Amino acid sequence: DIQMTQSPSSLSASVGDRVTITCRASQGISNYLAWFQQKPGKAPKSLIYRVSSLQSGVPSRFSGSASGTDFTLTIISLQPEDFATYYCQQYSSYPITFGQGTRLEMK
Amino acid sequence: QVQLQESGPGLVKPSGTLSLTCAVSGGSISSSNWWSWVRQPPGKGLEWIGEIYDTGTTNYNPSLKSRVTILVDKSKNQFSLKLSSVTAADTAVYYCARKPSGTYSIDYWGQGTLVTVSS
Repeated sequence: DIQMTQSPSSLSASVGDRVTITCRASQGISNYLAWFQQKPGKAPKSLIYRVSSLQSGVPSRFSGSASGTDFTLTIISLQPEDFATYYCQQYSSYPITFGQGTRLEMK
Repeated sequence: QVQLQESGPGLVKPSGTLSLTCAVSGGSISSSNWWSWVRQPPGKGLEWIGEIYDTGTTNYNPSLKSRVTILVDKSKNQFSLKLSSVTAADTAVYYCARKPSGTYSIDYWGQGTLVTVSS
């Protein structure tokens, strides 16, 4: 199985900040990398697919990038509704696997 | 707007079989999509269970493969999950989801349903 390792596991930030979450794949996954946002008690919400393509309706303050097997989710100008847990996912090969999650908390 | 809705018993006895259905509305299940199941134990992360195409082709997580069956019912525009020989470790919120074929990831999720395994 391909292991997806996210860092940090948690971080504190303020409204208006720029934050970056990293996800490292244990082997190459080409550009089959997605990001999801989950709020407590709610289903995940799909944010990004294919490393950097935004799902419909996702604000442009969210962006994704890649460097080899390292993938990054960046949120510029944090909004109150962005405080949540974020998961990366590789869908390059089976089984599809998720990172362990990064909890973004309000400072 | 595609909507997915999980349904099924919220309580299953140990060694029993967990059975859930996901009803798809706002679109046909016979479109170019993979229909997926993902679960999340309380307080933990997401685990991919498996998926099915409308042709019936399936992919399962090897860690669950011996116990999992995913089926599609085109006449009812729904798909289902069966997980046999359940234990307390299978207690989780179960989500159904849609993943378009090609280079796309999951785009739509159901709201999720909590299934507790307990006697």
